Amino acid sequence: GEDVEQSLFLSVREGDSSVINCTYTDSSSTYLYWYKQEPGAGLQLLTYIFSNMDMKQDQRLTVLLNKKDKHLSLRIADTQTGDSAIYFCAESIRNDYKLSFGAGTTVTVRA
Amino acid sequence: DTGVSQNPRHKITKRGQNVTFRCDPISEHNRLYWYRQTLGQGPEFLTYFQNEAQLEKSRLLSDRFSAERPKGSFSTLEIQRTEQGDSAMYLCASSTGTGTEAFFGQGTRLTVV
Repeated sequence: GEDVEQSLFLSVREGDSSVINCTYTDSSSTYLYWYKQEPGAGLQLLTYIFSNMDMKQDQRLTVLLNKKDKHLSLRIADTQTGDSAIYFCAESIRNDYKLSFGAGTTVTVRA
Repeated sequence: DTGVSQNPRHKITKRGQNVTFRCDPISEHNRLYWYRQTLGQGPEFLTYFQNEAQLEKSRLLSDRFSAERPKGSFSTLEIQRTEQGDSAMYLCASSTGTGTEAFFGQGTRLTVV
């Protein structure tokens, strides 16, 4: 969606950390999400953060939210080959799950 | 229940033909969404149902598109007089009324030739 922007590609070495960045424009966003999509598959919800939080950690995943700059990031620690996929950032204005997605960041994990 | 189910997974049709896709949401989910995803893009919202009521439609949903959820369970998305620009992945998602998590199906990939 035109309201959510992401860099298109990221290449990372196995075992390193990956950081995927996203910017959004709607200051009234209530929830921000990260989805993963593997080739030919649907979307898998990885994690989400409520707009009044600035950080959320879930195992290898860390989400950082800078509401002032409307910037969201996803850090994947100890990146594995199974993490190769397209990662989408998405925002919702209200909790009815109408989402506005970015174009996705293709993450390639190299050995 | 194994999640959101979409059928068919793939559909190839000739331009001008009508196609219909089906989505079976997770059984206790009263909200159902359709999204469209074209190559290299993120999904775009098409329409949303709460139970059997269609509450919102995107302007992307032209008059050739119609969606129904007659009994508040499964939903169908019909495209009439298909055009090559309709080629995309059509994704269905469902959620409860109170949760923040929606579950997506595997999608139906439509190719119009």
